[in-house]
Amino acid sequence: KQEVTQIPAALSVPEGENLVLNCSFTDSAIYNLQWFRQDPGKGLTSLLLIQSSQREQTSGRLNASLDKSSGRSTLYIAASQPGDSATYLCAAGNAGGTSYGKLTFGQGTILTVHP
Amino acid sequence: NAGVTQTPKFRVLKTGQSMTLLCAQDMNHEYMYWYRQDPGMGLRLIHYSVGEGTTAKGEVPDGYNVSRLKKQNFLLGLESAAPSQTSVYFCASSPRTGYNQPQHFGDGTRLSIL
Repeated sequence: KQEVTQIPAALSVPEGENLVLNCSFTDSAIYNLQWFRQDPGKGLTSLLLIQSSQREQTSGRLNASLDKSSGRSTLYIAASQPGDSATYLCAAGNAGGTSYGKLTFGQGTILTVHP
Repeated sequence: NAGVTQTPKFRVLKTGQSMTLLCAQDMNHEYMYWYRQDPGMGLRLIHYSVGEGTTAKGEVPDGYNVSRLKKQNFLLGLESAAPSQTSVYFCASSPRTGYNQPQHFGDGTRLSIL
C-alpha cells in the first residue's frame, strides 16, 4: 500500500526566502507525482504534475523534482511572497492496471510567509 | 468556468440522519472521485467512478454509498450518519487519459454530525 509523507508539517519563513518542501513515497510504481495548493476553506488547485518519466517540472517561481528510485519529490519555491501562504499537498498517482488515476495524498505542509 | 461544483457547502446533521452530497462537473470528464479530509490525515479516497453507471470502492468506503446515473454528476450518500463522518468532503474529476492529467477539485462540503 502506497504511503506518502510530507516534511515539514508546518513552515514559517520571512518574505523573499527560497524554500523547499519535501515529499516521500514508499512505492516507486507511480504514474506521476502531483503537487497541489489548498487555501483555507477552499478546494485543491493543481500546481505541478511530474510524469514518472520526467525529473522535474517548472511553473513560474515553482520547481518540482522527482526521484522515483529514492521515493522522493521536492517542491522549490523561489522568492517567497505572503500570497504563497497556504497548505501544499503532494500526491502519488498510483500505477497498476486498475489505478484509474487514483491518488494517494500526503498530510500536507502548512506554509506561512510573513512580510 | 464552473468546473467542479459541490452542493451543499455546509451541513449539520444529527446522528442517524441521512443525506446526499452532490458533485457536478461541466468538463465532460470520465473519472470522478469522492475524498474526505480530516485534520492531520490528508485526503482519503472514499469511492470513485470511471464512467456513467459505474462505481468502485476506495480506501475508506464504509458507511457511504455512491451513484453515477449521469456522466456529469456523482452523488455521495450517508444512509445513517455517525459522528465519525464529521469531515470535509471533496469531489474531483479527471479525463479518461487521467494518468497524466491533474484532478480538478470542488471547494468541498463541510459536514458536522452531532
